[in-house]
Amino acid sequence: KAGVTQTPRYLIKTRGQQVTLSCSPISGHRSVSWYQQTPGQGLQFLFEYFSETQRNKGNFPGRFSGRQFSNSRSEMNVSTLELGDSALYLCASSFPRVGGEQFFGPGTRLTVL
Amino acid sequence: GQQLNQSPQSMFIQEGEDVSMNCTSSSIFNTWLWYKQDPGEGPVLLIALYKAGELTSNGRLTAQFGITRKDSFLNISASIPSDVGIYFCAGQLPGAQKLVFGQGTRLTINP
Repeated sequence: KAGVTQTPRYLIKTRGQQVTLSCSPISGHRSVSWYQQTPGQGLQFLFEYFSETQRNKGNFPGRFSGRQFSNSRSEMNVSTLELGDSALYLCASSFPRVGGEQFFGPGTRLTVL
Repeated sequence: GQQLNQSPQSMFIQEGEDVSMNCTSSSIFNTWLWYKQDPGEGPVLLIALYKAGELTSNGRLTAQFGITRKDSFLNISASIPSDVGIYFCAGQLPGAQKLVFGQGTRLTINP
């Protein structure tokens, strides 16, 4: 069974631009969560989607948004990029039951210049 | 917000030694997960714990879900070079899918 895939793996953007990251979950997994990882803050929860609906949201500004498609694939978008948005963005998929194991993709490394 | 205190932050050991790390929280968790992350990669799930007091092994790895549901530990026996990496604990609050992560333990092994 293929794992979680994320594209692209690396991105370089400049301040003020926007970016869209993509995540394909493990087949059969319908819950997708997004996390931001930085050296200073560690791994922080962004949001979780299930059945095309945002089920939970972390403490991030409205510039961070996401969506989920009917095939469970998910995208996250960051608008008006800031230098502090440079991070590894990780997607995790799981079965929809709360408390299930979450499996991570390799991440997208975003650098904002 | 909820925080997990993971210790130690780093460990420098000799190959063949046993390793122990733990996480504590002021909050009660329903699930504890342990992950390992290699540079440039996403975290890989090592062990999942679902019940207070549960002790689970995965090869040389053993983890326990604390009886108070506020802590967990991970032991690695007879360490080998490929154990090098950063280990994270993560907890799930009751009724939530969101994971709360510890700060990580960086493991370095001298051959």
